Amino acid sequence: DAKTTQPNSMESNEEEPVHLPCNHSTISGTDYIHWYRQLPSQGPEYVIHGLTSNVNNRMASLAIAEDRKSSTLILHRATLRDAAVYYCILRDPRNTGKLIFGQGTTLQVKP
Amino acid sequence: KAGVTQTPRYLIKTRGQQVTLSCSPISGHRSVSWYQQTPGQGLQFLFEYFSETQRNKGNFPGRFSGRQFSNSRSEMNVSTLELGDSALYLCASSLENEQFFGPGTRLTVL
Repeated sequence: DAKTTQPNSMESNEEEPVHLPCNHSTISGTDYIHWYRQLPSQGPEYVIHGLTSNVNNRMASLAIAEDRKSSTLILHRATLRDAAVYYCILRDPRNTGKLIFGQGTTLQVKP
Repeated sequence: KAGVTQTPRYLIKTRGQQVTLSCSPISGHRSVSWYQQTPGQGLQFLFEYFSETQRNKGNFPGRFSGRQFSNSRSEMNVSTLELGDSALYLCASSLENEQFFGPGTRLTVL
């Protein structure tokens, strides 16, 4: 299973943008890049995913490098409710039910 | 639609006992995956069931097993419990691209 590397922790101020980086240099051509987050005392929740092109949804944006060896999750205006552990995951389309979680990035949002 | 539900939410067992955890997926979802979360190892994939068949398996000993019923509900069983099995057990159901996680079952082994 291809691995991802994320910073252990990041801090942000409320209402400012946050860029969460992820390196995945061993990504295969068919792996999708998924992001999940886990709020305190809850199960993980899906944030966004992409393959090659940048993606936007109501929660966030995903910027994928042209060589696909890295990606960045962008929260456009962080709120206190965005404080969570963010996981960058490579998902093999042949094993869609299997997510391999790394240590993730703990995002702290300061008021 | 109701979300993924897991029962029980909390459980205390002693070493050597066995335990069965239950997961009800979102209606219409046929895939159910199980994960173990501990402070030391983080979130680890246990196994996935699809249409009553185990489709994927993680690196856990044979004491960990599961099954899925025709209505997609799933159970996981841990036999001969060890102290290290204390963890939050999460199940997730999926239809296509995203997995929807339940709140988890907190298992404490004494």
